[in-house]
Amino acid sequence: AQTVTQSQPEMSVQEAETVTLSCTYDTSENNYYLFWYKQPPSRQMILVIRQEAYKQQNATENRFSVNFQKAAKSFSLKISDSQLGDTAMYFCAFKDNNDMRFGAGTRLTVKP
Amino acid sequence: DGGITQSPKYLFRKEGQNVTLSCEQNLNHDAMYWYRQDPGQGLRLIYYSQIVNDFQKGDIAEGYSVSREKKESFPLTVTSAQKNPTAFYLCASSIYGRNANYGYTFGSGTRLTVV
Repeated sequence: AQTVTQSQPEMSVQEAETVTLSCTYDTSENNYYLFWYKQPPSRQMILVIRQEAYKQQNATENRFSVNFQKAAKSFSLKISDSQLGDTAMYFCAFKDNNDMRFGAGTRLTVKP
Repeated sequence: DGGITQSPKYLFRKEGQNVTLSCEQNLNHDAMYWYRQDPGQGLRLIYYSQIVNDFQKGDIAEGYSVSREKKESFPLTVTSAQKNPTAFYLCASSIYGRNANYGYTFGSGTRLTVV
């Protein structure tokens, strides 16, 4: 089964700074999708960004961007100009034609 | 507004009782999912359903049961056979079936505590 690993249980960043959250995954598939979800204190899971494995261009959504390294099976999330509202748990997720698999999460705290 | 509604937000269960968590969606999504979230373990799949009257076990289905009598509804019953039910439960849906590679829409969750 595919596995998703987030090696940073907790991270912190100063407001307005940039932070990068790491994610690696294991798969033998060639076609798949990767996601980053945000879970704020309200615990509502919110889709932040989505990357298709067949696309070489890294996905970007406003202040959020990814660094997708397919050969290395790495999918990191960069948050630029961090805001207090970015404080949340962040989950990396992998999906092929089967179930969506989630990492254990990284708790990000943005400090004023 | 379209979305997924989970109720109740908090639920307390006595030892030996069955409880049912509600999940309703008005997104006209075909597939629905139940996940369990524990600290440090991410989300684990309990059950999923791709069409009405059909559902499949996920990774941790023991002690749980579901039904899918309507497209909009996918309730989860936590039975007395579930040895460690205290957790946060998330319901999700996706526009197409499990084979499609789209993101999921999540509800706001139910926190279940055994007392």
